[in-house]
Amino acid sequence: QKEVEQNSGPLSVPEGAIASLNCTYSDRVSQSFFWYRQYSGKSPELIMSIYSNGDKEDGRFTAQLNKASQYVSLLIRDSQPSDSATYLCAVNMDGNNRLAFGKGNQVVVIP
Amino acid sequence: EPEVTQTPSHQVTQMGQEVILRCVPISNHLYFYWYRQILGQKVEFLVSFYNNEISEKSEIFDDQFSVERPDGSNFTLKIRSTKLEDSAMYFCASSEWKGRTGELFFGEGSRLTVL
Repeated sequence: QKEVEQNSGPLSVPEGAIASLNCTYSDRVSQSFFWYRQYSGKSPELIMSIYSNGDKEDGRFTAQLNKASQYVSLLIRDSQPSDSATYLCAVNMDGNNRLAFGKGNQVVVIP
Repeated sequence: EPEVTQTPSHQVTQMGQEVILRCVPISNHLYFYWYRQILGQKVEFLVSFYNNEISEKSEIFDDQFSVERPDGSNFTLKIRSTKLEDSAMYFCASSEWKGRTGELFFGEGSRLTVL
């Protein structure tokens, strides 16, 4: 069973701090990795995609990918109350856009 | 900004009834999907659709489910003889690209409640 794991519990961070989220995946041949943000009762919204090992920065977000360790992470710098949401890690396991999602990590930014 | 639109936003139905959920994907996108999310659980893939046919489906997408693109804009998910466990948020998504560079854009979802 191909899996995407996000094991951390809710993350509370003070406003302005860095939030760090982690994700592991089971399928070694996975090529495409995504982070989606989901506000309560809303749909997933794509915030980052990463395809190569290393870091990718977009504004206050940085995604990090390590294919050897089958690990992808998301850093949110200068966290804002509007960043309070559930962050979903998603992996394209077979190149057909069939995304496998993790269960998500809830982030709460405290003003 | 282009967006995926879904109707209805919420539908309540009796067990055993048929339900049709509708989606209008982003106009220049070629690949269409349905995902669902049972309350408190992961987002799960149901089916992908390209060039007027199903390209992939999950084990969830059994004979109870069907998809269709009846015209040039709508993409529908039909659930025949709904069951209690079909209660979930159903998300339509579309993408322009397939494969490595594909990125999905989700609609706001249709909440299905089966009583």
